[in-house]
Amino acid sequence: QVQLVQSGTEVKKSGASMKVSCKASGYRFITYDINWVRQAPGQGLEWMGWMNPRNGNTGYAQKFQGRLNMTSINSISTAYMELSSLRSEDTAIYFCATGGSYLDNWGQGTLITVSS
Amino acid sequence: DIQMTQSPSTLSASVGDRITITCRASQSISSWLAWYQQKPGTAPKLLISQASSLQAGVPSRFSGSGSGTEFTLTVSSLQSDDFATYSCQQYYSYPWTFGQGTKVEVK
Repeated sequence: QVQLVQSGTEVKKSGASMKVSCKASGYRFITYDINWVRQAPGQGLEWMGWMNPRNGNTGYAQKFQGRLNMTSINSISTAYMELSSLRSEDTAIYFCATGGSYLDNWGQGTLITVSS
Repeated sequence: DIQMTQSPSTLSASVGDRITITCRASQSISSWLAWYQQKPGTAPKLLISQASSLQAGVPSRFSGSGSGTEFTLTVSSLQSDDFATYSCQQYYSYPWTFGQGTKVEVK
C-alpha cells in the first residue's frame, strides 16, 4: 500500500530555511503528484503547492511564491519541500500528500516551530 | 482564490445521531469537492471525492451531496469513531483551498 514517511520535528530561527523530506513507498514514485499542505496550531488546512516527480514541474500558491521550492530525488522515491525566510507564522505541521486533485495518501506530518 | 466556508464550526452530537455539515464555495466548483476526516495528532483521511464518491473502505454511513456552490457531508448514524474534525477541499482551480473545518464533539 502507498506509504509516505516524513522527516522529523525541527525548530528553526526566524529568517532561516527549512527542508522537509517525504519518502514514498508502495507505488511507482513518478506516478503521482506530490502536494504539500500545512496546518498552523488550531487552524485549518492550507495547500502550499504541487510537484510532478516525472518531469519536475511545480505549482505554488501565490502567497509562497519566491520562498518555496519543491524538488525530488526519484532514485530514492523522496520528495522535498524547502521554505525560506521563515517567520513565526510558518510554525505549523507540514504534510506531504499524493494526488493531482483530491489528496488520497498523506504523510504523518512534520512539526516545524519557528522561534525568534 | 476560491473561498470555502463550512458550517457549523462545532457540532455537538451523540452516538446514533444523524449529522450534516455544510460547505459553501465562493463560486461554482461543479462537483470538484473532497471531504476529509482528521483526528488530533494525525493526518487527514480522504472520505469522499467528486462531491459524492465514497472512498474504498469508508463506512457507508458517510455520504456526500451537492454541486455548484453548496455541498453537504452527512453521517447517517454517528459512531464513537466518528468524533473528529471534517474539512472540505475544492480542486476546481488552483490554489486548492480548504474549509476551516467542523469539529464534531461529544454532546
